[in-house]
Parts: sequence; C-alpha cells; structure tokens
Amino acid sequence: AQKVTQAQTEISVVEKEDVTLDCVYETRDTTYYLFWYKQPPSGELVFLIRRNSFDEQNEISGRYSWNFQKSTSSFNFTITASQVVDSAVYFCALSEARGNNRLAFGKGNQVVVIP
Amino acid sequence: ETGVTQSPTHLIKTRGQQVTLRCSSQSGHNTVSWYQQALGQGPQFIFQYYREEENGRGNFPPRFSGLQFPNYSSELNVNALELDDSALYLCASSRGGSGSMYEQYFGPGTRLTVT
Repeated sequence: AQKVTQAQTEISVVEKEDVTLDCVYETRDTTYYLFWYKQPPSGELVFLIRRNSFDEQNEISGRYSWNFQKSTSSFNFTITASQVVDSAVYFCALSEARGNNRLAFGKGNQVVVIP
Repeated sequence: ETGVTQSPTHLIKTRGQQVTLRCSSQSGHNTVSWYQQALGQGPQFIFQYYREEENGRGNFPPRFSGLQFPNYSSELNVNALELDDSALYLCASSRGGSGSMYEQYFGPGTRLTVT
C-alpha cells in the first residue's frame, strides 16, 4: 500500500527565510512517481513537480528545489528566500505505476510567510 | 487551452439528500479522477474514469458513484448524504489510462456542506 507522511503541519517563517518541507513515502512498487502540489487559499491544487523512481537527480526551479533520496524514501522540498505569495498548503503525493494514476497525498504542510 | 472546471462552486445539502457534482476535463484529456478533501487533510482518491469506464476506486462506499461522458466530462453522485461527506471535492484530468503516468491537473473544487 502506498503512504505519504508529512510530519510538520504548520510552519511559519519570516519573509526571505528558507523553508524545507519533509516528505517520507512508503511503497512496495519499484516504479513510482512522486509529486508536490501547492494549494493556495482558493483551493485549487497547483502542480509543482513530478519525479519518477529512477531519477534521483535533484532539481531546482527558480526559488524551489527538491531533494529525492531513495535510500531514505524521502522527497523534500525547499523554498529559498520565501515570499508572502508562497503562503499556502503544500502536499507531497505518490503514485504507483500499477495504481492507475491514483495519487496518495500526505496531510500537507501549511506554510505561513510573515512579511 | 481551457483548464479543468467544476460546478457548482459551493453547495449546501441536508443529511439524506443526494448531490451531483460536475467536472469538465482539460482539452485533450481522457481521464478524470475525483478526490475528497476533508478540512485539514490531504485529498483522498474516490475513483477514476477512463474512456467512460470506471478505472479504479478508493475506499469509498457504493453511495459514491460517477459517470464519464463521451466528451470526457464527468459527474460525481453521492446518495444518502452524511455529515462526514462535508468536504472539498476535487476533480483532476489527465491524459492516458491504466498504467500510464501523466500529470493530473486539478479543478478549483466544489465545497459541499451537509447539515
């Protein structure tokens, strides 16, 4: 069974600080996909990144970066130099290749950026 | 390119009633997935439709049912509403079907309140 754990529920940072969101996953599949989504107060889930289980390269996109480590089953997300617009709930999700695309989400991290 | 749309935006129903939620998929997408997101939780997979057939179901009772139409739009029906059905219902569309892995693009959701 697939499972995603996001331990921290709410994280408050002062603007321009960095914030790292932890994600630990469980799966029995050797082929799977990991995602991060952002959910602003409007409610719509915004896709940020997808990683497949065979690609452990870290990725950077602007102020966002992701650290994928299969050895620890983790896919952590860092926002560098946070801005008020980054205030949202961030979800990590897992999809197994045999699981018809269904996403298993963690409980989310509420990030509050204080100006 | 038109994104995923959902209607209505908000809905208030009474316990025991029935409700139908609607979703229009993004252009070029033939797969629709439905998720339920309770307050403070991550989205939970309800079911998925691919080319008008149910293509996987999460741990939800039979009173949750759905349809997909030839234009790939979809409906979620919930019978005999219970208070715990109060949630944000999210629809996501994607390309492909079973075994494929494409990004899912989410709609803005329908906020259902059951009183």
